[in-house]
Amino acid sequence: EVQLVQSGAEVKKPGESLKISCRASGYSFSSYWIGWVRQMPGKGLEWMGIIYPGDSDTRYSPSFQGQVIISADKSITTAYLQWSSLKASDTAMYYCARADTVMITEPGYFDYWGQGILVTVSS
Amino acid sequence: QSALTQPASVSGSPGQWITISCTGTSSDIGGYNYVSWYQHHPSKAPKLLIYDVSERPSGISNRFSGSKSGNTASLTISGLQAEDEADYYCSSYTTTSAWVFGGGTKLTVL
Repeated sequence: EVQLVQSGAEVKKPGESLKISCRASGYSFSSYWIGWVRQMPGKGLEWMGIIYPGDSDTRYSPSFQGQVIISADKSITTAYLQWSSLKASDTAMYYCARADTVMITEPGYFDYWGQGILVTVSS
Repeated sequence: QSALTQPASVSGSPGQWITISCTGTSSDIGGYNYVSWYQHHPSKAPKLLIYDVSERPSGISNRFSGSKSGNTASLTISGLQAEDEADYYCSSYTTTSAWVFGGGTKLTVL
């Protein structure tokens, strides 16, 4: 059974750093993309970026390029989303999700999702 | 990269059918047959309903169907049921090698 288990809720102050995780199981971790999706309070889903653990190929939405870093550790089948300096506007629910490959080299649609992590940034 | 355009809300009575539109550009929906749709109930993880414009994953009811014409994709839900009340999002692959979501549509079952 494919499972994506995300780390627990976080409460941080502006300017602090944060790294949240998504542990995958039930499939070949290196052979599928894992992406991150943001949902700000009362707002819609936003595609942030995605990584292919097999070769660390990483893609970012232009809106999130330079704002976050996506990484993965194949040895523990875990993907990460990190910030170096949080802002209040980073307050949101963050979902990880798995994607297959399309067009030989590109990330596809999300077929399995994690339960989400609520990140709250407040002074 | 702008979000795809969806109506903010739609509604229908049990047993009826509704259609949700999703409008993009030639750089996303119009350029690829990689459109997907997700159902999102509050406090739950989103659920894949449709992929590759019109394909249904295993286990998804055939009451859900997808189509595309030009730069606009559509999700049709037939035989509306109370449990269909949720937020619905379209998503498309884009020329920037990333995906983009629509703004979301809230479905109310009257």
